Amino acid sequence: AQKITQTQPGMFVQEKEAVTLDCTYDTSDPSYGLFWYKQPSSGEMIFLIYQGSYDQQNATEGRYSLNFQKARKSANLVISASQLGDSAMYFCAMRERSNDYKLSFGAGTTVTVRA
Amino acid sequence: DVKVTQSSRYLVKRTGEKVFLECVQDMDHENMFWYRQDPGLGLRLIYFSYDVKMKEKGDIPEGYSVSREKKERFSLILESASTNQTSMYLCASSQPGQHSEKLFFGSGTQLSVL
Repeated sequence: AQKITQTQPGMFVQEKEAVTLDCTYDTSDPSYGLFWYKQPSSGEMIFLIYQGSYDQQNATEGRYSLNFQKARKSANLVISASQLGDSAMYFCAMRERSNDYKLSFGAGTTVTVRA
Repeated sequence: DVKVTQSSRYLVKRTGEKVFLECVQDMDHENMFWYRQDPGLGLRLIYFSYDVKMKEKGDIPEGYSVSREKKERFSLILESASTNQTSMYLCASSQPGQHSEKLFFGSGTQLSVL
């Protein structure tokens, strides 16, 4: 069964606007971590933000914030004030304590920022 | 700056060839991983290693093997390449421990099998 679901294959956003990328996950493990990575056209995966299942506050890193809704098993990424350099593919991923070494990824969402 | 280096950015091979994809990390990480990335499927784990000479199968190990003779180097081997192994291959490393440990990735190898 798919552990991470990203339902938006592609999105367009206007420069300087905010964009929300959806991510839902499936786990019965009470201890897990959620990650977002960015992959520009160069191919390298760049870590953006992390949220632990026991964290009380939503994670934030600069223009990135994670809207963590534990009961809904949702971990949406919000990018504020979009820039042209934000055009990339974005992946949501999860690591469960019961599966400690493995990071499971979603299918990804392509974001294109328009000037 | 920390680095995971994959030996080739692009590789073209013929069906039936033995293919080696090399990955080196300079962060003294215990864990190393090989993923393949396909459109619409995201990243899928092929193999990982949590110590020298140790390996564990991931979700899609069929048709692949790995070698880890030194801590910094993790090789992916396609014993007899097939066209359905045409893909982007990503190597990653991390420290063991908490589930908060992030993966550091290389730039990927785009492999085409003709």
